[in-house]
Amino acid sequence: EVQLLESGGGVVQPGGSLRLSCAASGFNFGDDVMSWVRQAPGKGPQWVSAISGGGEKRYYADSVKGRFTISRDNSKSTLYLEMHSLRAEDTAVYYCAKVNTLNSFFFDYWGHGTLVTVSS
Amino acid sequence: SFELTQTHSSVSVALGQTATITCEADRIGSKNVQWYQQKPAQAPILIMYWDSRRPSGIPERFSGSNSGQMATLTISGAQAGDEADYYCQVWDFTTVIFGGGTKLTVL
Repeated sequence: EVQLLESGGGVVQPGGSLRLSCAASGFNFGDDVMSWVRQAPGKGPQWVSAISGGGEKRYYADSVKGRFTISRDNSKSTLYLEMHSLRAEDTAVYYCAKVNTLNSFFFDYWGHGTLVTVSS
Repeated sequence: SFELTQTHSSVSVALGQTATITCEADRIGSKNVQWYQQKPAQAPILIMYWDSRRPSGIPERFSGSNSGQMATLTISGAQAGDEADYYCQVWDFTTVIFGGGTKLTVL
């Protein structure tokens, strides 16, 4: 059974930093593209970032480019998101998601999410 | 940039009847469309991929189609447990795009 367990969320002041983690199990972690998707309160999902199985390719939404860094440790089956220069508009539940890239790019498994609140 | 429009922010359906949720965009028929269901305080789950394929465990009453300017999610014989937000999604070159969502209410 695929399981994704996020951690690291919390309250941070504007301009601050936070590191999210996602522990994966139930599949060959290193074989799959992984992604972060966030959802602001009352809004729809918004894709944030993705990383290839080996970690060599990374993609970012324009809204986070230059501030967020996605990485992974395949030896630990763990995905990370380093977030810097946080803004109020980054407040959201952040989901870790396993990506299916067969003929498309979509999220076949999601974690339960971790809440990030940017507020003074 | 590519945008997905879920014209109806809310849709109501009587119990046991058919609900239709749409997702519109220019040339959406040329892309693979996915649909996600999200219930309150839960993560989204994938209920349709490649326009019309159901993941294991998704009931047959969920079906999908995609052509021209519109993709459609159809729920035949809607159940109370189908009450949720539904989002369409596509991959456009190097970015992922979600629709704004449709809230389904089962009366």
